[in-house]
Amino acid sequence: SQKIEQNSEALNIQEGKTATLTCNYTNYSPAYLQWYRQDPGRGPVFLLLIRENEKEKRKERLKVTFDTTLKQSLFHITASQPADSATYLCALDTGGFKTIFGAGTRLFVKA
Amino acid sequence: GAVVSQHPSRVICKSGTSVKIECRSLDFQATTMFWYRQFPKQSLMLMATSNEGSKATYEQGVEKDKFLINHASLTLSTLTVTSAHPEDSSFYICSARDNRAVQETQYFGPGTRLLVL
Repeated sequence: SQKIEQNSEALNIQEGKTATLTCNYTNYSPAYLQWYRQDPGRGPVFLLLIRENEKEKRKERLKVTFDTTLKQSLFHITASQPADSATYLCALDTGGFKTIFGAGTRLFVKA
Repeated sequence: GAVVSQHPSRVICKSGTSVKIECRSLDFQATTMFWYRQFPKQSLMLMATSNEGSKATYEQGVEKDKFLINHASLTLSTLTVTSAHPEDSSFYICSARDNRAVQETQYFGPGTRLLVL
């Protein structure tokens, strides 16, 4: 069956450091992958989309990589700030406009 | 741009009653909207895909007669939880795709917290 894995343990880092979150998937060949941010009690907010033919995508302090051989995406936040503390969701296209989400990784950035 | 609203944000109801949740795309048209539910510390689980002018497509295990979806216009989809029971208590989130957009991003509403007593 199709499966998406994100580190279920919370990631704690110090302000100013780079946070790296991992998304692994199996039994997929997604055309693209997305990362969302979700704050408690709120809906997810779109951050970045990367396609299967793209290795890397950047947006301000965010960087996403996509390795279709390893079936893995890495999400980086550089110069992290306490305001970056949230849950980050990885989402994969399964074709037919349907998207499947990982369970998310909680990030805590300490001042 | 690309704002999606949901109403109500919170609802508490008695067991056996029906609850309607509205999802609106405020500044774009959406042929396709999606309904998810999310339990604490768990992933978003897709319940159904709502298509304007046609019947919704439900995911396996989701009862279509219990979760009624109506997508009457390009900016509004509604989810009605019929005869709600305590196990239906959850966080319901809708999302919409912008018809004009090239990429396949979904824009999410703020969610509706349902508590069935």
